[in-house]
Amino acid sequence: NAGVTQTPKFQVLKTGQSMTLQCAQDMNHNSMYWYRQDPGMGLRLIYYSASEGTTDKGEVPNGYNVSRLNKREFSLRLESAAPSQTSVYFCASTPTSGDVTQYFGPGTRLLVL
Amino acid sequence: RKEVEQDPGPFNVPEGATVAFNCTYSNSASQSFFWYRQDCRKEPKLLMSVYSSGNEDGRFTAQLNRASQYISLLIRDSKLSDSATYLCVVSKGSARQLTFGSGTQLTVLP
Repeated sequence: NAGVTQTPKFQVLKTGQSMTLQCAQDMNHNSMYWYRQDPGMGLRLIYYSASEGTTDKGEVPNGYNVSRLNKREFSLRLESAAPSQTSVYFCASTPTSGDVTQYFGPGTRLLVL
Repeated sequence: RKEVEQDPGPFNVPEGATVAFNCTYSNSASQSFFWYRQDCRKEPKLLMSVYSSGNEDGRFTAQLNRASQYISLLIRDSKLSDSATYLCVVSKGSARQLTFGSGTQLTVLP
């Protein structure tokens, strides 16, 4: 049981390039989330998916798109990367009922030059 | 004003010390409360939930004051392995969304 996995671990992009961050969970969780973490800012919610087939904007969605490919996978896409998107990105998932504990992946460190 | 506010620290304490962290939240509709722990360059992990009556897990005690919208975490007999950033987290009911504080950094010194 791997929990929540994220790829890649590290990425360097040039301004204007695009990329997709991948996230998968094997815990049969319904809800999945994408956060970014910047120094002194804490974790900020980018997008979330309450269940397969649904996605909603979080606190900082501009510049990002998401796809809930199936129950296991939730990807985050940067269409045209900007230096302001340099950050650590975490994916998380939550069990189906009752418990709102979020289980996090190991993170993707992104540098946009 | 941030929804969840914490003293960023850093707190540098000797092994064996007792240390307390505080957190305030602004949304009175918040229903669930947690402390997460984040080690350097790692993902956050749940440390403990916080209940209205207060709760304890070994050396860790969490308290909630809904009237003052205040949450605390007490760590007794600090260990070197307690060195981490502690994140105060609140949830708004069935929304299943969490709001994270920016964290309090703790270093336990030998």
